[in-house]
Amino acid sequence: QSVLTQAPSASGTPGQRVTISCSGSRFNIGSNTVSWYRQLPGTAPKLLIYSKNQRPSGVPDRFSGSKSGTSASLAISGLQSEDEAEYYCAAWDDSVNGYAFGTGTKVTVL
Amino acid sequence: QVQLVQSGSELKRPGASVKVSCKASGYTFTNYAMNWVRQAPGQGLEWMGWINTITGIPTYAQAFTGRFVFSLDTSVSTAYLQISNLKSEDTAVYYCAREWELLHDYWGQGTQVTVAS
Repeated sequence: QSVLTQAPSASGTPGQRVTISCSGSRFNIGSNTVSWYRQLPGTAPKLLIYSKNQRPSGVPDRFSGSKSGTSASLAISGLQSEDEAEYYCAAWDDSVNGYAFGTGTKVTVL
Repeated sequence: QVQLVQSGSELKRPGASVKVSCKASGYTFTNYAMNWVRQAPGQGLEWMGWINTITGIPTYAQAFTGRFVFSLDTSVSTAYLQISNLKSEDTAVYYCAREWELLHDYWGQGTQVTVAS
């Protein structure tokens, strides 16, 4: 049972903006940096966003992250078909002294 | 460029052991901790723990104590995950992931471990 909760699914049409939320607590999102990962079907997760909306090299600026209190969000603007994937938030959790991944959100491009 | 290359798929009987390898290249192996993550069929990501690549000291998440062992061979920049007394519920894809500032910036391609009689 993950301590970070995400809606199981989200969808949009090409070009739309989709927002994915991640709900946690003061022990994880509330006190530690949040990162986001994208997992395309059958492949390994890939780092997408970290530390106050930073993107690794090669990640387009269509992806943006934000945090407020004990929740975080990932926004995908200009949705494209290749954005169909599972998205996970993650953060260190001080209450268990371990790393927590969110439950995951499957994004579908209609 | 940074690469983590894992060993191939494994099919094991219940009660057997398996050892998964993760060979790192493109960076100084001992500059970053190595984490392990499990993904059961159709499920999300589950953090298993990490190993300090300087001291070799492992830290396990609560659900992964007892039958799971992290180890290293720094001479070949390789981390290992060994699972003993395999059970059907250990069937999953296992990933190694380099840790950087409390996040995972590079991942291995994953190793499928299937436990079946």
